[in-house]
Amino acid sequence: AQSVSQHNHHVILSEAASLELGCNYSYGGTVNLFWYVQYPGQHLQLLLKYFSGDPLVKGIKGFEAEFIKSKFSFNLRKPSVQWSDTAEYFCAVFSSGGSYIPTFGRGTSLIVHP
Amino acid sequence: DAGVTQSPTHLIKTRGQHVTLRCSPISGHKSVSWYQQVLGQGPQFIFQYYEKEERGRGNFPDRFSARQFPNYSSELNVNALLLGDSALYLCASSFIQGNNSPLHFGNGTRLTVT
Repeated sequence: AQSVSQHNHHVILSEAASLELGCNYSYGGTVNLFWYVQYPGQHLQLLLKYFSGDPLVKGIKGFEAEFIKSKFSFNLRKPSVQWSDTAEYFCAVFSSGGSYIPTFGRGTSLIVHP
Repeated sequence: DAGVTQSPTHLIKTRGQHVTLRCSPISGHKSVSWYQQVLGQGPQFIFQYYEKEERGRGNFPDRFSARQFPNYSSELNVNALLLGDSALYLCASSFIQGNNSPLHFGNGTRLTVT
């Protein structure tokens, strides 16, 4: 069974600080990787995704993530956070092929102080 | 365009009762999936339906069932409710079944079992 670990459960930063949220997964086959974000009072929405090709993917609002296959990691980064980035961030792994079983991490709560 | 809509937004039930949650996907989306999100955890996959057929099932007891209608809307049914079923139930739609089709989430139904 696949699993997703998000090691940082709560992160507090000041505006302009750099952000890196860790995501590690366990699955032996090919995977599709996603980061979803949930802003306060809003629904989950897609931040960025990786299917294949360039392991460095760019998403909305200046976020990017790097897929490192050897480390089973898909860490999310942003060079300079803003107060509006305060949200819950979820890493998700979808196994490619076979049965459809998406797996989400437990989430990281990010608070950015102005 | 209207997003994914779920009803009701909140629900309070007693142990042993059953509940039906409803979801209308984004227009043109043929796949609907259901998730349970317990406080402090990420969404946990329950079911996926595509073209009115079950295409994936998570690790949930048989008390959980779902179906998809010809207009692609969906219902999630839970029988013999337990206190542990209290959670936010999320519905997500996507254009196709494939693992690389991004999910669009609704705001969820908050179920409280007393």
